[in-house]
Amino acid sequence: DVKVTQSSRYLVKRTGEKVFLECVQDMDHENMFWYRQDPGLGLRLIYFSYDVKMKEKGDIPEGYSVSREKKERFSLILESASTNQTSMYLCASRGNDEEGQYFGPGTRLLVL
Amino acid sequence: LAKTTQPISMDSYEGQEVNITCSHNNIATNDYITWYQQFPSQGPRFIIQGYKTKVTNEVASLFIPADRKSSTLSLPRVSLSDTAVYYCLVGGGDDKIIFGKGTRLHILP
Repeated sequence: DVKVTQSSRYLVKRTGEKVFLECVQDMDHENMFWYRQDPGLGLRLIYFSYDVKMKEKGDIPEGYSVSREKKERFSLILESASTNQTSMYLCASRGNDEEGQYFGPGTRLLVL
Repeated sequence: LAKTTQPISMDSYEGQEVNITCSHNNIATNDYITWYQQFPSQGPRFIIQGYKTKVTNEVASLFIPADRKSSTLSLPRVSLSDTAVYYCLVGGGDDKIIFGKGTRLHILP
C-alpha cells in the first residue's frame, strides 16, 4: 500500500511566520504535488515536482515555495504566512502515467 | 488542459446503482480519465482510471464512449458509506491535472 504522510494534521501559525509543511511518500514515486482545498473552490494545485530538485508552478504558486531535496520528501514553504493562506493543504504522489495520485491525510492550517 | 463538467450533487438510496457522468469535450489524445472519492477531512482517494471503453475494479466501473468526450462512473449497490464527493479529472503526460468542484453524492437509507 502506498503511504503518503504529512507532518501535521493541524497547525496554527501567526501572520508573518515562516511555515514548513512536510510530505513523505514511501513508494519511490517520481511525481509529487501540493494542493490547497477551500470550501467552494475544490482542490487547487500549488506546485508539483517530477524529480528530485525539479519543481513546476501549479495554478496558485504565489506566496509559496517548495523544496525537493530527496525523492521521498516534498516540502511546501510559506515564506511569510498570511491569513488568506488558512486552508487545508494536501500532498500527493504518483508513479507512472497509469496510476492515480495517492493523497496524504491533509494539514489544516490556521493563520491568525 | 481539459476542463470537466459534472453535476454538483446527486442523491440516491442504499442498494441502488449510481451513475455519475462527467463531460470533457476537449480531452487530449494522451489524456487519461481518473475518478477520485473524498470524505470530509480526508485527502481524495483514487477510485478508477481509464483511457477508453470500459474499466472495472472491485469498487467501480468506468464507461468511456468512443469519442471520449464524456465518461460515467458507476457505483454498484451503494451504501451509506459511499456518501462523499466524487471528482472526475482528465490529464496525462504533463502531470498538471485540474480538480473541478466534484459531485457531492448523498446516499439515503
